[in-house]
Amino acid sequence: QVQLQESDPGLVQPSETLSLTCNVSGGSITDFYWTWIRQPPGKTLEWLGYIYNNGRPNYNPALRSRVTISVDTSRRQFSLKLTSVTAADTAVYYCARGWGISTSLDSWGQGSLVTVSA
Amino acid sequence: DIQLTQSPSSLSASVGDRVVITCRASQSIGAHVNWYQQKLGRAPKLLIYAVSSLQSGVPSRFRGSGSGTEFTLIIYGLQPEDFATYFCQQSYNVPYTFGQGTNLEIK
Repeated sequence: QVQLQESDPGLVQPSETLSLTCNVSGGSITDFYWTWIRQPPGKTLEWLGYIYNNGRPNYNPALRSRVTISVDTSRRQFSLKLTSVTAADTAVYYCARGWGISTSLDSWGQGSLVTVSA
Repeated sequence: DIQLTQSPSSLSASVGDRVVITCRASQSIGAHVNWYQQKLGRAPKLLIYAVSSLQSGVPSRFRGSGSGTEFTLIIYGLQPEDFATYFCQQSYNVPYTFGQGTNLEIK
């Protein structure tokens, strides 16, 4: 049974870089779409992007200039970096595992609330 | 971006009811539709993938159907644990997008 666990950066200063790591345990780290999703308070879910194995990441075009997703298979973790954050980036950030023809997200981390504030 | 519009946005129902939630896409999205359930303060949970396939461990009272631009999640015989928010998602085009959610409340 795969389990995903996000790190907890908590508070991030405006204009700085948000960094999150997701540790993957209990399952394969290859052949899945390792995905980041976020959810601002009271709003719907926003897909940020994914990385498949060590291939080229696929990002949300709205964030492409600020987002980087990478994977370290040897450490069984994948990461999100979001630069130049503002209050609009305040959200619960989820890591998730995607698979199959519809790239459904069948396993999720518990979520990490990131607040952007001075 | 492909827009997904769920209806209704909120719904009150009773235990035992049959509930229908619709997801309409701004363009055809083939079979690339998934449905999730989210309870307050928790991560979403996959219910249905590829329009109509039931995720392992999900009760059979959850059914998905549809094609093209219109998709439906039906819950037969609502149970107390089903009161939650439901989201559809498309993975046909990047960026993958979610509906705005349907909040299912107890009547």
